[in-house]
Amino acid sequence: EDQVTQSPEALRLQEGESSSLNCSYTVSGLRGLFWYRQDPGKGPEFLFTLYSAGEEKEKERLKATLTKKESFLHITAPKPEDSATYLCAVQAGKAAGNKLTFGGGTRVLVKP
Amino acid sequence: EAQVTQNPRYLITVTGKKLTVTCSQNMNHEYMSWYRQDPGLGLRQIYYSMNVEVTDKGDVPEGYKVSRKEKRNFPLILESPSPNQTSLYFCASSSLQETQYFGPGTRLLVL
Repeated sequence: EDQVTQSPEALRLQEGESSSLNCSYTVSGLRGLFWYRQDPGKGPEFLFTLYSAGEEKEKERLKATLTKKESFLHITAPKPEDSATYLCAVQAGKAAGNKLTFGGGTRVLVKP
Repeated sequence: EAQVTQNPRYLITVTGKKLTVTCSQNMNHEYMSWYRQDPGLGLRQIYYSMNVEVTDKGDVPEGYKVSRKEKRNFPLILESPSPNQTSLYFCASSSLQETQYFGPGTRLLVL
């Protein structure tokens, strides 16, 4: 069974204090690993897709990396507007259709 | 604007009263899916559809029905809602094997 575990569950940062979120996974043949951002009461907003170990992607203050067992989302010099829940999901090679298996998310609060 | 829309956004109902949550996408996506999100359990897939008239169960299909008569629409039907179906529901769509884009969510309370 595919599993995704995110840590920590919650993270409080001062503005400008860089940090990393972890997503560890077990999956039968990874087709893709996805990062989403979710604001309270809203739908997940797509950030990145990573397909193979060693791949990295960046968007503004966010950088996602992937190894064979985990992915990291690095937040560099965060601002209060980066406060959100960050969700990690995997898509297995054998998964029917486009099924995503999600982790529990990391709630990030950035204080000014 | 490319988007996934859901209606209603908020719904309060009583046990046993049939309801439908609509989902529509304007991106000509083949794949559509329904998820529910609950505290401590994350997002879990209810049903999905690979194309018109092709639907299949996800991880938590009990108590739900879906249909895919048109490519753009994928309604979620609760024939006899129960309190354990109180949740936040999301519809998502994508081209096959591509990134899924999510709707704004429907918050359902079943009394």
